[in-house]
Amino acid sequence: DGGITQSPKYLFRKEGQNVTLSCEQNLNHDAMYWYRQDPGQGLRLIYYSQIVNDFQKGDIAEGYSVSREKKESFPLTVTSAQKNPTAFYLCASSIVGSGVRFTGELFFGEGSRLTVL
Amino acid sequence: KNEVEQSPQNLTAQEGEFITINCSYSVGISALHWLQQHPGGGIVSLFMLSSGKKKHGRLIATINIQEKHSSLHITASHPRDSAVYICAVRSMGGATNKLIFGTGTLLAVQP
Repeated sequence: DGGITQSPKYLFRKEGQNVTLSCEQNLNHDAMYWYRQDPGQGLRLIYYSQIVNDFQKGDIAEGYSVSREKKESFPLTVTSAQKNPTAFYLCASSIVGSGVRFTGELFFGEGSRLTVL
Repeated sequence: KNEVEQSPQNLTAQEGEFITINCSYSVGISALHWLQQHPGGGIVSLFMLSSGKKKHGRLIATINIQEKHSSLHITASHPRDSAVYICAVRSMGGATNKLIFGTGTLLAVQP
């Protein structure tokens, strides 16, 4: 079945360590996204990519890095520079469109919960 | 003030009740999405709207573009409807695929 797979589902990290969250999709979507979810806040965009080997910063990119070497994969690294990394991270994908009529349904993974000890 | 506001933030209902969740936004949009987040965290898309009304099973979504308001209705609610419901808008003029999310409405349906 087509979908988005995130791993790991739960991750614990010590302060000062980098961690990488995996996101793989088999929907043949060109666009992929990383969101962060904190209690009482809406999802916030970290990074997005609309094509292989290209990605753009979202609203809260500081302390994060991504790569897009393959269409199917968009891993997110939470670096030690991220001051408050404990959060729920969601990966999503969609087709790429343009113009006012584009509505762009998003397909989400199950999320990864990162806790910094 | 958030660009997307949802109300109520929390809602408890008895099984069988008719439920309404509201979403107001302050920007021009090309589409509005209703999403459902399960207790485990995964999110599924329920509706995309740019005008009028859509229905899927017991769920109905409406949008009034002039008033910048959308509602999600659940008829004959059931405990399995318990989830967080999130409204998100795709703003005009911004990055093509960028959504602005509300903070969600936590719905608990009691048997």
